[in-house]
Amino acid sequence: NAGVTQTPKFRVLKTGQSMTLLCAQDMNHEYMYWYRQDPGMGLRLIHYSVGEGTTAKGEVPDGYNVSRLKKQNFLLGLESAAPSQTSVYFCASSYLRTSGRGSTDTQYFGPGTRLTVL
Amino acid sequence: AQSVTQLDSHVSVSEGTPVLLRCNYSSSYSPSLFWYVQHPNKGLQLLLKYTSAATLVKGINGFEAEFKKSETSFHLTKPSAHMSDAAEYFCVVSGGATNKLIFGTGTLLAVQP
Repeated sequence: NAGVTQTPKFRVLKTGQSMTLLCAQDMNHEYMYWYRQDPGMGLRLIHYSVGEGTTAKGEVPDGYNVSRLKKQNFLLGLESAAPSQTSVYFCASSYLRTSGRGSTDTQYFGPGTRLTVL
Repeated sequence: AQSVTQLDSHVSVSEGTPVLLRCNYSSSYSPSLFWYVQHPNKGLQLLLKYTSAATLVKGINGFEAEFKKSETSFHLTKPSAHMSDAAEYFCVVSGGATNKLIFGTGTLLAVQP
């Protein structure tokens, strides 16, 4: 199993350009997530999906859109890139295992995409 | 609401000495807690997780953490640091039906020879 993969690994954009980041997982996970990591701020949730065809906003969704047309793929789009979107983007996935104290399970992370917007 | 606070942004230890990375959490219900590690220019790897079974949780590479409800803490420890432990460590809390994670701001561990 490849786990969680992300493409591309690196990208440089000019302000106003658009791009799509692809996340793929082969673990049959229901849940998928997109995070951004900035120095001194940990990881912050952008959008997430609890199943094929569903998406929801996270903590910092502005300027991003997502789609989950297939269970194994979760796409993150930037329609008009801004320098403030320079960051490292991580995708993660998990499946839901009810523990009896709420529902939680380990999230598995991809290797990240380093995006620079000039 | 849930939150997590990592009390030290940087920790430096000598090789062979104990490691202590401190984390306090806030949660309106019994949380699930995790420690993740990130080596330079790498993704995140799960070190260990607490989900209510035992308060002392053992993880990979000799790390362990103790859940203390009375102190709302989940500190990460290792008896003897190795050079390969140099990395950034994140304390994370999660819960709820959507399994959203709330990350701390990270502790950068340096290991001196």
